[in-house]
This record gives sequence, C-alpha cells and structure tokens, in this order.
Amino acid sequence: QVQLQESGPGLVQPSETLSLTCSVSRGSFMSYYWSWIRQPPGKGLEWLGHVFYSGTSNYNSYLGGRLTISLDTSNKQFSLRLTSVTAADTAIYYCARFRGRDYYFDSWGPGILVTVSS
Amino acid sequence: QSALTQPASVSGSPGQSITISCTGTNNDIGNYDFVSWHQQRPGKAPELIIFGVSDRPSGVSTRFSGSKSGNTASLSISGLQAEDEADYYCSSYRTGDPPYLFGTGTKVTVL
Repeated sequence: QVQLQESGPGLVQPSETLSLTCSVSRGSFMSYYWSWIRQPPGKGLEWLGHVFYSGTSNYNSYLGGRLTISLDTSNKQFSLRLTSVTAADTAIYYCARFRGRDYYFDSWGPGILVTVSS
Repeated sequence: QSALTQPASVSGSPGQSITISCTGTNNDIGNYDFVSWHQQRPGKAPELIIFGVSDRPSGVSTRFSGSKSGNTASLSISGLQAEDEADYYCSSYRTGDPPYLFGTGTKVTVL
C-alpha cells in the first residue's frame, strides 16, 4: 500500500513562495501521475495540478501560472512551488496519486495546513 | 472555479438508505465514465470509495454503490451507520481546463 506524506512550512508570508514536498513510500513511482489538491478551511477540494513520472506536467490555469510541480525520482518525492501567495491560498494541501488511465485519485497524504499571513 | 453540483447536506436514520447526487455537464459526467467518489471524515484526508462510476476499491463496504444517468452521477449508501457520517465528494474528468473537477461536497448526517 503506497503511502504519501506532505512536508513544509505551516506559515508563509504574503507575496512569498509556498514550497511543499511529498514523499512517496511503499509503492512504485512509475506509471502514475503525482498530484496536488488543496482545501481552504471549511470548503471543498480544488485540483491544482499534477506531474507524470516522465516529468510532463499539467496545471489548473486558475492559478495564473504561479504553480510549478516537479519530480525527484531518485528520492521518490515530488514538490509544489506556488509563487506570490495571498490569504486566498490558505488551505490544507494534499498530495495524491492519480491513475491517469482511469482518472481517479487512489491514495492521499494526510494533508498539511498552510496559512498565508504576516 | 467550476465545480460539479452536489446537495449541501443529506441525512438519514441508522439502517436507512440515502442517495447523493452529483450534477455536471456534457463536458464531464455526461461524456465520460470517469466519475469517482471520496469520503472525508472530520480532520482526515479524503478516501476513495468509488471509481469508474460504480467500481469499489478493495476493502470498501458493499453498502456503497455508484451509478450514472446522463449528466448526473449518484452515490447510494445502504444500511446507514454512524461511521458513515462524513463529507462526500464526487469528481470527474472533463473536457477543458481544468481537466479534473471535484463536486461541491455533501455532508451526510446520521440522525
């Protein structure tokens, strides 16, 4: 059973860059899409983007080009980098494994709360 | 941001059956059999309970079942139990940007 774990700072200053890492264990890194999803406090889920194990990525254009997702296959990690953050980016951020052939998320990390505030 | 439409809340008594709807368009639910459902208990991450409209992952109770008609998908829970109290989210692949949408979420309350 694959396991995912998010890590990173819980507090980010407005206009700064939010960086998170997801570590993948007990499962293959190959042939899957690795995704980031967020959930503002008390609200619903929002797909942010994903990266295929080959390195190809796709992002939610709602983020206006502020998002980059990258892979570190040697360490079985993938990362999120969101620039120019505002209070609207305050959310629980989840990393998840996405099955691209059947289009569903089959495993999620526990999530990490990131607050954007000065 | 676009989202699939779900009722905000559904409730039922223990042992009863409930159904949660998820309404989309011809660009998502109506055109693809890539509907999934997740259960999210308070303070926890979502967990997959249905994929491919009606398939259950190993270990998920048979009390959960999924279906689709036109642009609307549905999740049914039979024999409602206290442990089913949670938020439920549908999701679907879609044509357009973003390529993947979640529903607005439904809070299930067991009376």
